[in-house]
Amino acid sequence: GENVEQHPSTLSVQEGDSAVIKCTYSDSASNYFPWYKQELGKRPQLIIDIRSNVGEKKDQRIAVTLNKTAKHFSLHITETQPEDSAVYFCAASGITGNQFYFGTGTSLTVIP
Amino acid sequence: DTEVTQTPKHLVMGMTNKKSLKCEQHMGHRAMYWYKQKAKKPPELMFVYSYEKLSINESVPSRFSPECPNSSLLNLHLHALQPEDSALYLCASSQAPSLPAKNIQYFGAGTRLSVL
Repeated sequence: GENVEQHPSTLSVQEGDSAVIKCTYSDSASNYFPWYKQELGKRPQLIIDIRSNVGEKKDQRIAVTLNKTAKHFSLHITETQPEDSAVYFCAASGITGNQFYFGTGTSLTVIP
Repeated sequence: DTEVTQTPKHLVMGMTNKKSLKCEQHMGHRAMYWYKQKAKKPPELMFVYSYEKLSINESVPSRFSPECPNSSLLNLHLHALQPEDSALYLCASSQAPSLPAKNIQYFGAGTRLSVL
């Protein structure tokens, strides 16, 4: 089955700096890669996703890049704000579409 | 509207109790999921229903019993749970099973379960 690794497990940045979280996956058949943000005690919220026919996608301060050859994808947050503090999970999904394989999560702290 | 509603929000139960968790969505989604999540860990898939039929059971103990009465509702029946089953139970739904272009999953707020 698919194996998704996520790094780093914790990340602290100063407000206004950029944050980058990286994930690798093992199954070349995976073709959908969402990123979820989960604040303490709340539900995972989809913040951005990318499909394998696209190399990069951007939504305001958030961007995701995908390198299919190397089997890795990354989340980039620019101009970080304290409200960006949360746990971020990457995931990969394959042909069936039903099963998401989650990374282990990154706890991001933005220091005011 | 991307709302998945779960009840109750919190549940405390003893090891001999029987209780049920409920999940509801009115987005016309035909795939629904149960996940278990421990603190600061990723969600772990338990069950997947596709078109109201159980399609994935991730070797979950029989003390957890899922039910999908119709396309909008998903239940998780709990019986004789153990303290290690204490966790956040998340429900999710997606538009169309087995169609990669329609597989965005939307999560409910979860039920925080404590087993004493």
